Amino acid sequence: GQNIDQPTEMTATEGAIVQINCTYQTSGFNGLFWYQQHAGEAPTFLSYNVLDGLEEKGRFSSFLSRSKGYSYLLLKELQMKDSASYLCAVRKDGGFKTIFGAGTRLFVKA
Amino acid sequence: DTGVSQDPRHKITKRGQNVTFRCDPISEHNRLYWYRQTLGQGPEFLTYFQNEAQLEKSRLLSDRFSAERPKGSFSTLEIQRTEQGDSAMYLCASSLGGMSYEQYFGPGTRLTVT
Repeated sequence: GQNIDQPTEMTATEGAIVQINCTYQTSGFNGLFWYQQHAGEAPTFLSYNVLDGLEEKGRFSSFLSRSKGYSYLLLKELQMKDSASYLCAVRKDGGFKTIFGAGTRLFVKA
Repeated sequence: DTGVSQDPRHKITKRGQNVTFRCDPISEHNRLYWYRQTLGQGPEFLTYFQNEAQLEKSRLLSDRFSAERPKGSFSTLEIQRTEQGDSAMYLCASSLGGMSYEQYFGPGTRLTVT
């Protein structure tokens, strides 16, 4: 089976740091994506982790622990425009099928 | 604009009718994906192509759904005998191939079945 869990909603303050967690149980794993999706728009790519550890890209960082089936997305210096849904997705073994979680809706308040 | 286009952007149809959607990926991308997304959920995998070959299809894709990518460029997704439960946003994405896994999504086709 396959299961990807993320919190449904989070609220944070402009300028702060927020961590969005994702846990997964999938039959096969070959990498984990984070995508951002603003309301009414298509998802846009943020990060892809294959190996354990932290990858930093500007204000956004993504962490993966394959042994724990766990990832997080860290957003620093939050801006109002960061209000969006953040989707965790797993690429399964042996191909390119990608399974998405339901997403975490982040609200950034002033 | 990611460079992936979808047509139409909106489709309203009556239950029982057939509908067809088109996706034009970024020209040099050899992988193409179809997803379905409903409100408050993440995209749900339907199928993907490597060039013109359909390599995997979700079990959720019943006999009423079919997808093609005849020349390895654009793709079509057809839904036959539409049902109200088919109402959703249908998203297409493409990726370059090789060791590049980042998917670029199109704006989607919103289907409403009445």
